[in-house]
Amino acid sequence: DTGVSQDPRHKITKRGQNVTFRCDPISEHNRLYWYRQTLGQGPEFLTYFQNEAQLEKSRLLSDRFSAERPKGSFSTLEIQRTEQGDSAMYLCASSPGLAGWGTDTQYFGPGTRLTVL
Amino acid sequence: AQSVTQPDIHITVSEGASLELRCNYSYGATPYLFWYVQSPGQGLQLLLKYFSGDTLVQGIKGFEAEFKRSQSSFNLRKPSVHWSDAAEYFCAVVTSGTYKYIFGTGTRLKVLA
Repeated sequence: DTGVSQDPRHKITKRGQNVTFRCDPISEHNRLYWYRQTLGQGPEFLTYFQNEAQLEKSRLLSDRFSAERPKGSFSTLEIQRTEQGDSAMYLCASSPGLAGWGTDTQYFGPGTRLTVL
Repeated sequence: AQSVTQPDIHITVSEGASLELRCNYSYGATPYLFWYVQSPGQGLQLLLKYFSGDTLVQGIKGFEAEFKRSQSSFNLRKPSVHWSDAAEYFCAVVTSGTYKYIFGTGTRLKVLA
C-alpha cells in the first residue's frame, strides 16, 4: 500500500477565493473521511463517504464546503469564498470498510495546510 | 456527548526515561480507543488500538496502553523514551453507531538528550 495521499500539501489563497483539495485513499478502501485540524487542537471530523455516498456531515461543514467522491475512489473537498477562519490543516483518512463502525481503523494522509490571507 | 480529554498539553522527559501520557474519555458504552502520533510534516500514524479483550494492548515503537474502565482512562506508556519519539500524541474514541473519530487536543512530547 502506498498510503493515503493528498494534494496539494500547502495552499495559500486570498480571502474570497475558492480552493479545492484532493485525497487519494489507500487502494480498495471503501470509506473515506475528511477532518480539519487547527493549531493546538486535535482533528475534527468534517464528513465521511462509504464508496461514493456521503453518509455523514458535521455541522462544521458549512454551506461553503462541499465534498465529493464521484467514483468511490479519490475525493475532493472544495471551500468556496474562503475566510481567514478556514486556515487549518485538512486531513483525509481512509479505512477498508470491511469491519463494523468501531473496528474499522482509519489511516491518515499527510494533510493539506491551507492559509487564507 | 462523547469526549476525550488529554490533560497534559506539553510533557518533557529525558531520553531513556519512562513515559506516560494520559487520556480520559467520556462514553456510555464500551469505547473503541486509539492512540495516534503526529510528527511534523507527517500524517497521523496509528500506535495502537483497543476494541475489547485484554486491557493492556501493545503497539508499535514499543508503546503500550492500558484500558481502565473504572477510571475511564486509556493511558499510553513507554518504558524508555527515544529522542525520535518527540512528536504530538492524540487519543481518539469512535462514537457509537458512526465512523467518526473524536480526538483529544493532543500532548506534545519533548525529549531531552
